[in-house]
Amino acid sequence: QQQVKQSPQSLIVQKGGISIINCAYENTAFDYFPWYQQFPGKGPALLIAIRPDVSEKKEGRFTISFNKSAKQFSLHIMDSQPGDSATYFCAASPSYNTDKLIFGTGTRLQVFP
Amino acid sequence: EAQVTQNPRYLITVTGKKLTVTCSQNMNHEYMSWYRQDPGLGLRQIYYSMNVEVTDKGDVPEGYKVSRKEKRNFPLILESPSPNQTSLYFCASAGGGRGTDTQYFGPGTRLTVL
Repeated sequence: QQQVKQSPQSLIVQKGGISIINCAYENTAFDYFPWYQQFPGKGPALLIAIRPDVSEKKEGRFTISFNKSAKQFSLHIMDSQPGDSATYFCAASPSYNTDKLIFGTGTRLQVFP
Repeated sequence: EAQVTQNPRYLITVTGKKLTVTCSQNMNHEYMSWYRQDPGLGLRQIYYSMNVEVTDKGDVPEGYKVSRKEKRNFPLILESPSPNQTSLYFCASAGGGRGTDTQYFGPGTRLTVL
């Protein structure tokens, strides 16, 4: 079965620090890689997404780094804030079926003041 | 307000008693999808629909049914629920008719099957 492996399972960061969450995939047909953010009691919401034609995408404090040869991508949160405390999911979609979205197992991020 | 709504938000039921979780979106989106979220497993896609009367299986469709008779509604049906279907369920919709368009998630339905 197609998989997206996400690590770490949980992450504790001090305010102002950098949070880094990593994902790895196996299927080379994946060509869309979004990150979703989920606050407690809420549904996930799209945070940022990347396609493999670029190696990095930045939106404010959030950056996706993409390594096509290693089949890995990561989310970097710069200057982490307590309001960033949430669960983050990476995901991937194959080019041959853009209706499917395969999620990682999630990372619970806690940012302490 | 643009949103995806799910009902009920919480449900406790017993094994074998048929139930339906409703999902409705007011954004005129073509694509809708159901996911279940379990600790340590993340979100797993159950079924999705690209448009009215068009549905397809996701990664974990066993024990579930769906229908898409209207664009705005995408109910999830459990005809004979079992305890392993105890989970947090999310409905999502996307405007462009594909899963790679931004998906907007509902608030979730927490289901317990005894």
